[in-house]
Amino acid sequence: DAKTTQPTSMDCAEGRAANLPCNHSTISGNEYVYWYRQIHSQGPQYIIHGLKNNETNEMASLIITEDRKSSTLILPHATLRDTAVYYCIVSYPTGNQFYFGTGTSLTVIP
Amino acid sequence: DSGVTQTPKHLITATGQRVTLRCSPRSGDLSVYWYQQSLDQGLQFLIQYYNGEERAKGNILERFSAQQFPDLHSELNLSSLELGDSALYFCASSVDPSGGAKDTQYFGPGTRLTVL
Repeated sequence: DAKTTQPTSMDCAEGRAANLPCNHSTISGNEYVYWYRQIHSQGPQYIIHGLKNNETNEMASLIITEDRKSSTLILPHATLRDTAVYYCIVSYPTGNQFYFGTGTSLTVIP
Repeated sequence: DSGVTQTPKHLITATGQRVTLRCSPRSGDLSVYWYQQSLDQGLQFLIQYYNGEERAKGNILERFSAQQFPDLHSELNLSSLELGDSALYFCASSVDPSGGAKDTQYFGPGTRLTVL
């Protein structure tokens, strides 16, 4: 039931920006885009979320296209500790369960 | 540290047994979610409670049940355990499931269940 599509894996050089794309072409007007990451078998960690405007916090930036059909998570200066599986999730409007897809396995290379 | 606590960290048991996993949500969060992560299935939503009431059900087996208590902690009960129930079980909490910022879920460290 995942409503998002992400590349299976990506590499990024340490210190460079990591740009992780996500396609959510069936998103509806009141659904939010959330990003989480999971390092090894730890609990998923919240990164950022947005509705239609671009968002930035201390961890990352979220760029959402004007039609809202896709988004990009940007880690501005990737470090080795950013190696993880990144999940893009579209939330249901009444705030129910998140459906995690397979995510993108990001490897930051020294 | 997300503020969500789960106990125990590890649990090893035998087939046919019953176990209880416990979750304490972040202070102020009213909604609790349970997820299962097995090697071949990824993260799967099981069930959600909001302020003591069941709110949504996902791929939860009939052998599994959960409840949320008045102090808002939650327990996931797994019975008649099978080898395939071996997995990581995560609990998450949010302020309330009304959508948007209040819907941000914060995950606990998980309980690793091994069924032998």
